[in-house]
Amino acid sequence: LAKTTQPISMDSYEGQEVNITCSHNNIATNDYITWYQQFPSQGPRFIIQGYKTKVTNEVASLFIPADRKSSTLSLPRVSLSDTAVYYCLVGDTPGGSQGNLIFGKGTKLSVKP
Amino acid sequence: DAGVIQSPRHEVTEMGQEVTLRCKPISGHDYLFWYRQTMMRGLELLIYFNNNVPIDDSGMPEDRFSAKMPNASFSTLKIQPSEPRDSAVYFCASSSLARSSSYEQYFGPGTRLTVT
Repeated sequence: LAKTTQPISMDSYEGQEVNITCSHNNIATNDYITWYQQFPSQGPRFIIQGYKTKVTNEVASLFIPADRKSSTLSLPRVSLSDTAVYYCLVGDTPGGSQGNLIFGKGTKLSVKP
Repeated sequence: DAGVIQSPRHEVTEMGQEVTLRCKPISGHDYLFWYRQTMMRGLELLIYFNNNVPIDDSGMPEDRFSAKMPNASFSTLKIQPSEPRDSAVYFCASSSLARSSSYEQYFGPGTRLTVT
């Protein structure tokens, strides 16, 4: 299983861009990189997923270098409501391997006014 | 869609008692997952099902834990007997690759279990 390493916590201010980097040195060829967000007292919520290069949606961007040994979640112009825990996960497609997702403890992002 | 439904939302029980947590996945989803979350260990996968069949239960901590999925719309996680160290938030999630091109799991609101 590909293990991921991400910072335990990060602080930011409203309006800033936040980049959270995740290391996954043992990522396998078939593995995708997925990020989830969790607010207090709620279950995690899917943010974005990618395989290589760059993926962008209405919430965030995901940058993946050519070697895929790391990835960076970019949140543009954060607000107080972006305060949450962000999880980086690596795993291949379902059909048995979806259960290999390891959430760990994530990165606790605190956005200040 | 109502999303993943879990019950109860909160459960307080005494050590030694049996606890049953319930989950209704999103209609049409063929994967169901049970997770446990604590401050010390984070979010851990306990077991997951595909088409009602348990695929991997290696995360189940011990024989006191059991999970069933009698049909596509219902699953239970049972702890018997319960112990204080089982206190945690238990999440149920469901997914369907056929209905989504992403690797997305939909989580329920969780059940906060306290064993005294």
